[in-house]
Amino acid sequence: SQQGEEDPQALSIQEGENATMNCSYKTSINNLQWYRQNSGRGLVHLILIRSNEREKHSGRLRVTLDTSKKSSSLLITASRAADTASYFCATLNTGNQFYFGTGTSLTVIP
Amino acid sequence: NAGVTQTPKFRVLKTGQSMTLLCAQDMNHEYMYWYRQDPGMGLRLIHYSVGEGTTAKGEVPDGYNVSRLKKQNFLLGLESAAPSQTSVYFCASNSNLQFAGNTIYFGEGSWLTVV
Repeated sequence: SQQGEEDPQALSIQEGENATMNCSYKTSINNLQWYRQNSGRGLVHLILIRSNEREKHSGRLRVTLDTSKKSSSLLITASRAADTASYFCATLNTGNQFYFGTGTSLTVIP
Repeated sequence: NAGVTQTPKFRVLKTGQSMTLLCAQDMNHEYMYWYRQDPGMGLRLIHYSVGEGTTAKGEVPDGYNVSRLKKQNFLLGLESAAPSQTSVYFCASNSNLQFAGNTIYFGEGSWLTVV
């Protein structure tokens, strides 16, 4: 399988805390992206990091990428109840195919 | 803004029946994809298309066929449905990946149950 793996599979935190989730992948990539999925909905793009970048910020999101370890992390700071969702990493490989990880289910408790 | 539209949203099939899921996008995207999502498995790529008239196999293509006769439409067919094909199906699209900053736009999903 070319899928990535997210870790942890599930995460439960209090509102205001930071949430960190990790993604590992298997193949060489052009970029890595993080997506969010609310229950019963499609995926929505959050942030993209290119293979030559190591860190990227967008609002309360911080993404890191370590291509030597084939891993990425997504940090959500000052979490809110509305951040409750599943989060997926997706890699664009050199064959122009997107592959998704298995996802982290985040619950933010008000 | 329609974006990516999938029909139908819900369907129950009997084993052995056939059906087609329709995906339509109005963003003039070159690339279109069909994924299935199962609990604990994430999204798995079934088939994809890099342009009108072209299709290619993804990670789990068996039991499915696709067609891309028009640029805006990507059809996913189940020839003889099996209970293992019970899943949520997502269509997605994006523009030409020449510029490696393109993101995927997803439909809202189609829930298929095979009994």
